[in-house]
Amino acid sequence: KQEVTQIPAALSVPEGENLVLNCSFTDSAIYNLQWFRQDPGKGLTSLLLIQSSQREQTSGRLNASLDKSSGRSTLYIAASQPGDSATYLCAVNTDKLIFGTGTRLQVFP
Amino acid sequence: NAGVTQTPKFRVLKTGQSMTLLCAQDMNHEYMYWYRQDPGMGLRLIHYSVGEGTTAKGEVPDGYNVSRLKKQNFLLGLESAAPSQTSVYFCASSYSGTAIYEQYFGPGTRLTVT
Repeated sequence: KQEVTQIPAALSVPEGENLVLNCSFTDSAIYNLQWFRQDPGKGLTSLLLIQSSQREQTSGRLNASLDKSSGRSTLYIAASQPGDSATYLCAVNTDKLIFGTGTRLQVFP
Repeated sequence: NAGVTQTPKFRVLKTGQSMTLLCAQDMNHEYMYWYRQDPGMGLRLIHYSVGEGTTAKGEVPDGYNVSRLKKQNFLLGLESAAPSQTSVYFCASSYSGTAIYEQYFGPGTRLTVT
């Protein structure tokens, strides 16, 4: 059974820091991996989608990598800002999306 | 485009009552999904649909029913609500179920069953 784990569960950093969020999964037979952002009391906003054949995707200050063989993905956030404060979720697509429990990020001024 | 919308945003039910949650999308997506989100559990798939008139069970389907009578709408029903169904419910849609298409999510419905 596919399981998705995100570490750390919570992270608090000062503004301007570069940071890395981790996502690991137990079964490498995935179609793609998606990173989402969720603000408190809100829905999910898709940030990046990496196909299984890709190694990384970039959008602005965000860079996501995928290593299928080791069952890992990272989300790199450059020059973090207070507006980046949210919960970040990763999900692997194995015909259906399997979600991790998220990393709650706080960026303080 | 409104994207994916959900009605209602909040609801409080008493044990045993019934209700229907409505999801609508205006992106002409074939696939639609219902998830529930609980603290420490992540999002779990309840039911999904691969097209108008079709439904299928997800990971946690018990206590819920769904219908997809129109392509743009996906309804989630609770026939006899239980406190264990207190959760935040999210609807999502995608153009296809294949790998390259991402899922788009609605804003959620917060349901409390007392």
